[in-house]
Amino acid sequence: AQSVTQLGSHVSVSEGALVLLRCNYSSSVPPYLFWYVQYPNQGLQLLLKYTSAATLVKGINGFEAEFKKSETSFHLTKPSAHMSDAAEYFCAVSKGGYQKVTFGTGTKLQVIP
Amino acid sequence: DAGVTQSPTHLIKTRGQHVTLRCSPISGHKSVSWYQQVLGQGPQFIFQYYEKEERGRGNFPDRFSARQFPNYSSELNVNALLLGDSALYLCASSDYQPGNYGYTFGSGTRLTVV
Repeated sequence: AQSVTQLGSHVSVSEGALVLLRCNYSSSVPPYLFWYVQYPNQGLQLLLKYTSAATLVKGINGFEAEFKKSETSFHLTKPSAHMSDAAEYFCAVSKGGYQKVTFGTGTKLQVIP
Repeated sequence: DAGVTQSPTHLIKTRGQHVTLRCSPISGHKSVSWYQQVLGQGPQFIFQYYEKEERGRGNFPDRFSARQFPNYSSELNVNALLLGDSALYLCASSDYQPGNYGYTFGSGTRLTVV
């Protein structure tokens, strides 16, 4: 079975500081990995996805994530936080591109002015 | 193009009642999945449909059922509602095109059971 673990349910950063949200995965097969963002009272928006094409994946809004097989990690980063980045972020894993997606428990990002 | 649309946006039901939630996928998308998101948790997979056939089912009781129609829209039905069914129900669609993996989610239906 696939699973993801997100370290830290709440992360606070200052505006302009580096954002680092951690995600470790467990998968019996090469995984497909995703990061989604959820703003209050909204659905999920896909930030980026890893599908084995490249280990460094660039997404929307300046976010990127690096797939590290040796560390079973897929951490999300952004060089400079913006107030509009405040939201909840979910890491997710799938066995295949169209298999069910298993989500982590989420990390709420707070950006301090 | 319209995104994934879900209706209603909010719903209040009483324990023991039945509820039907509706989802229209992005035009051209043939797959619809349903997820339940309880407050403070990540979404949990309920069902996946592709070309009107069930392709996957999560660990939910038989009170939960779904179907997909010829126009690829979908309904999620929940019978004998329990307080614990209170959650945000998310619908996601995909087009099953190679290289375009991932799902587009709707804004969800917020179900409150009282």
